[in-house]
Amino acid sequence: KAGVTQTPRYLIKTRGQQVTLSCSPISGHRSVSWYQQTPGQGLQFLFEYFSETQRNKGNFPGRFSGRQFSNSRSEMNVSTLELGDSALYLCASSRGTGSNEKLFFGSGTQLSVL
Amino acid sequence: DAKTTQPPSMDCAEGRAANLPCNHSTISGNEYVYWYRQIHSQGPQYIIHGLKNNETNEMASLIITEDRKSSTLILPHATLRDTAVYYCIVRVALAEGAQKLVFGQGTRLTINP
Repeated sequence: KAGVTQTPRYLIKTRGQQVTLSCSPISGHRSVSWYQQTPGQGLQFLFEYFSETQRNKGNFPGRFSGRQFSNSRSEMNVSTLELGDSALYLCASSRGTGSNEKLFFGSGTQLSVL
Repeated sequence: DAKTTQPPSMDCAEGRAANLPCNHSTISGNEYVYWYRQIHSQGPQYIIHGLKNNETNEMASLIITEDRKSSTLILPHATLRDTAVYYCIVRVALAEGAQKLVFGQGTRLTINP
């Protein structure tokens, strides 16, 4: 069974640009969540999607957005990139949203903003 | 959100049991404790989780205190490949069934030959 797939693996952008990251969950998983990891702030929750609906959003500015498609694949978008957006962006999937559901993470997209 | 506190680093000899402590004194009754580990620049890997009973799987054991305010992850026979950052996480239950993981800073575990 294939794991969570994130593309691209590495990305370099310049300030002011926008970026779209993609996540394909494990087959049969309907919940997708996104996390940002930086050396200073650690791992922080961005948002969670289930059945194409955003269930919850973390404390990030409106420049960070996401969506989920009917096949459970998800994308996140960051507009007007800032230097501080440089981070490892991780996607995780689970079958459902219950507290007992294990989350499985992808390898992440390493975004560098110059 | 429930917060977790872990020692920033620990060392363990190869072949010995590694015991990683975690405090989560503000955990709510319906919130699970999860353990993940992360090897540099990879995504976190699920290890084990529990609510109030001790749990064991092929990777590790999880001991949760009766008051649920702390837990210990046990790697019974540590190998060099177990060197990683270990995160103790509370799975926070939100409104309308939404969930999120609240990560702390983790413990950097180094297994020494």
